[in-house]
Amino acid sequence: QTVVTQEPSLTVSPGGTVTLTCASSTGAVTSGYYPNWFQQKPGQAPKALIYSATNRHSWTPARFSGSLLGGKAALTLSGVQPEDEAEYYCLLYHGGTSVFGGGTKLTVL
Amino acid sequence: QVQLVQSGSELKKPGASVTVSCKAAGYSFSTYTMNWVRQAPGQGPEWIGWINTNTGNPTYARGFTGRFVFSLDTSVSTAYLQISSLKTEDSAVYYCAREGRLGDLLPYWGQGTLVTVSS
Repeated sequence: QTVVTQEPSLTVSPGGTVTLTCASSTGAVTSGYYPNWFQQKPGQAPKALIYSATNRHSWTPARFSGSLLGGKAALTLSGVQPEDEAEYYCLLYHGGTSVFGGGTKLTVL
Repeated sequence: QVQLVQSGSELKKPGASVTVSCKAAGYSFSTYTMNWVRQAPGQGPEWIGWINTNTGNPTYARGFTGRFVFSLDTSVSTAYLQISSLKTEDSAVYYCAREGRLGDLLPYWGQGTLVTVSS
């Protein structure tokens, strides 16, 4: 069973930049894992932000960007806004199934 | 636009069964797979599996085989998740989520259905 690991929590100041990462127990995360990123706020369904590692949805603000970095998938928030405080989850596809990471709680302080 | 509307909250006793529905609108139902995701209180989401809405072929994640069954009624563009022999630990919000184009795994989500299992 693949385990997907994210930082449990991160804190960033408004206007700052922060990078969240997503690692796989099976090895380096590549584009073939189609890394997807989601934002979830309390009481809401997860909202898709990034797909296939680097692609933003039409509704995703430009301050969110995705990449592959050092064998992991990464989500970078630049110019963080107070409304970006949320849980962030990555999702990896592997061998016909998908696995969510445990999530990163991002605090904007 | 794409809409996924799920059935309402359920309260069930341990050992009972529950069926959650997910009605799709705004696109051709049989074109995209439908996924199911579970989120227990205070926990992250877990991917339960997906169903090919063209063939009806399901794929279940490890740990979700046996008691979890996906089905379809393509005549009403609706996907179903049935959970049998409910346990208290099945208490969670269950989401349906539609795939997008290649690599866009879950761009569209239903509003979620709260299933509470309690004696």
